[in-house]
Amino acid sequence: AQTVTQSQPEMSVQEAETVTLSCTYDTSESDYYLFWYKQPPSRQMILVIRQEAYKQQNATENRFSVNFQKAAKSFSLKISDSQLGDAAMYFCAYNSVGSQGNLIFGKGTKLSVKP
Amino acid sequence: GAGVSQSPSNKVTEKGKDVELRCDPISGHTALYWYRQSLGQGLEFLIYFQGNSAPDKSGLPSDRFSAERTGGSVSTLTIQRTQQEDSAVYLCASSFQGGTYEQYFGPGTRLTVT
Repeated sequence: AQTVTQSQPEMSVQEAETVTLSCTYDTSESDYYLFWYKQPPSRQMILVIRQEAYKQQNATENRFSVNFQKAAKSFSLKISDSQLGDAAMYFCAYNSVGSQGNLIFGKGTKLSVKP
Repeated sequence: GAGVSQSPSNKVTEKGKDVELRCDPISGHTALYWYRQSLGQGLEFLIYFQGNSAPDKSGLPSDRFSAERTGGSVSTLTIQRTQQEDSAVYLCASSFQGGTYEQYFGPGTRLTVT
């Protein structure tokens, strides 16, 4: 069975600085997708970024980028120029190609941004 | 356009009562998922609907939980004889199709069983 692990329950960053959130996963499959979701206090999960396993190039969305290391089964999220609005729970998730799509989530990392 | 909506936003119920949670997916989305978010277990998949196919109920934790999706649109998650361990946030998500299409989440229903 696939598992997703986030080893940092809480992280803190100064506004305008850079922070990296860690995620590792375990799977025997070769084709899959990885995601980072943001959950603010409003509870609504928002997709931040996604990475297809067969793509070697790391995904980037504005201030958000990932470091995808397939062999190490590592998928970290880097947030540059952190803003107060980035404060939220961040969840790493996995989904295998060919599956029906139900996501497997990590336990989450609570990110605080200090002004 | 309108996103995924869920109602009620919050629900407090007494142990032993039945509750119904509603999800309105994005129009045109054929796939619908229910997840449960609890302090102890994190985010867990509950059930998956795809079009008119039989749902995948493999994530439902007990036979007190059931769900239906009428007309391929609105879904209702029913919990019978609620227990305190059912207290959680119940999230609904929809996607254009199943598989790796992006899932759009609703704001969830926070269920508290007293």
